[in-house]
Parts: sequence; structure tokens; C-alpha cells
Amino acid sequence: GENVEQHPSTLSVQEGDSAVIKCTYSDSASNYFPWYKQELGKGPQLIIDIRSNVGEKKDQRIAVTLNKTAKHFSLHITETQPEDSAVYFCAANSGGGADGLTFGKGTHLIIQP
Amino acid sequence: DAGVIQSPRHEVTEMGQEVTLRCKPISGHNSLFWYRQTMMRGLELLIYFNNNVPIDDSGMPEDRFSAKMPNASFSTLKIQPSEPRDSAVYFCASSLAYTEAFFGQGTRLTVV
Repeated sequence: GENVEQHPSTLSVQEGDSAVIKCTYSDSASNYFPWYKQELGKGPQLIIDIRSNVGEKKDQRIAVTLNKTAKHFSLHITETQPEDSAVYFCAANSGGGADGLTFGKGTHLIIQP
Repeated sequence: DAGVIQSPRHEVTEMGQEVTLRCKPISGHNSLFWYRQTMMRGLELLIYFNNNVPIDDSGMPEDRFSAKMPNASFSTLKIQPSEPRDSAVYFCASSLAYTEAFFGQGTRLTVV
């Protein structure tokens, strides 16, 4: 089955700086890579996703890059703000979104004022 | 839309008791997923349904766990008998095939 590794487990950045979270996956058949943000006491919420037919996707301050050859993908958050503090999860799915997701262990992002 | 609705939000039960967690997916979604979240193991997929039919239950830890989806608007996850190591947050999620999965708020289960 799929295995997703995520790092770092904790990331502390100054407000206004950029944050980068990296993930690797094992199943070359995986073709859907979402990123979820989880705030305390809430369920994960999708913030951005990418499919294997593109290498990069942006949405305002958030971007995701995908390297299929190396089987890794990254989340980039620019101009970080206090409300970006949360736990972020990467995930992979070989069913393109129709099957259950395999999640990384999460990154606790702390934005220092 | 109210989103994915889970109940109860919190459940405290004694070891050996039966626990039933409930989920109402988003109307129109045809896939439903049950996940378990713990500090040690992160988010684990337990089982998922497509059009009310269980497709993959390989993540269900033991025979003590069972899940049903009698119709498109309701699913249950049952643990019988419950054990302290079942303590976790259980999430239900739903999606329309090949699109984003929406998660509920979760049920925090504590087995004492």
C-alpha cells in the first residue's frame, strides 16, 4: 500500500516569512495529492490539491509543487500570518480521489509574532 | 449545506461497553470514509464506502470494529467491546468521486 512521509513534524517561522513542508510517497500509481489544514478541535479542511498531470498549483499565498520522478511534493506558504498556525497534513491517493487517502503524520506550523 | 455531521462530539465509556458513532454525509456525495486519529499513528483510514457498499475495510483494526451504511445519508461505526486503546478522535468524511473529501468535526472517544 501507499506510504506517505512528511517533515518536519514542527515548524516555527516568523510572521511574514515563508514556510515549506515536504512529503514523499511510495506508490508511483498515486495521482492525487491534497493538503489539509487542521485547527484545534476541528476536522481537517482541504486547502489545496494537485493532480499528477501538473507540476505546480497556486492559490493566493499557498502553492504546491509535485515531482513525480522523485515522488515528492511540497506545500509553500508565503507571507505567513498568525491564522496560518495549525497542523498541516499531506496525503496521497492512487484512486485519484475516489478512494481513501493515505496521510502523512502532520506538521505543526507555529507562526511567531 | 451543513457539511458532514457526526454525533456525538464526545463520548466517554467504560471498557467493555458498546460504542456507536454516527455520521451524516453531505447530500449528493457517493463516497464515505471513516478515519481514526491518534498522536502515535496519525490519521488512519479504517473503511470506506462507495454508493453505500463497503469497498475497502482493510484498515479496520479488529473484529470488534464494524461499520454500516444502510442508506446514502447515514453511516455508523460500532466498537464492541470497547477497550482503552480505542481512545481516539474518529472522523467521518464524504466526497463525490474524484473530488475533495470533506471531513466532519470528529467524535472524541475516551474509553476508561
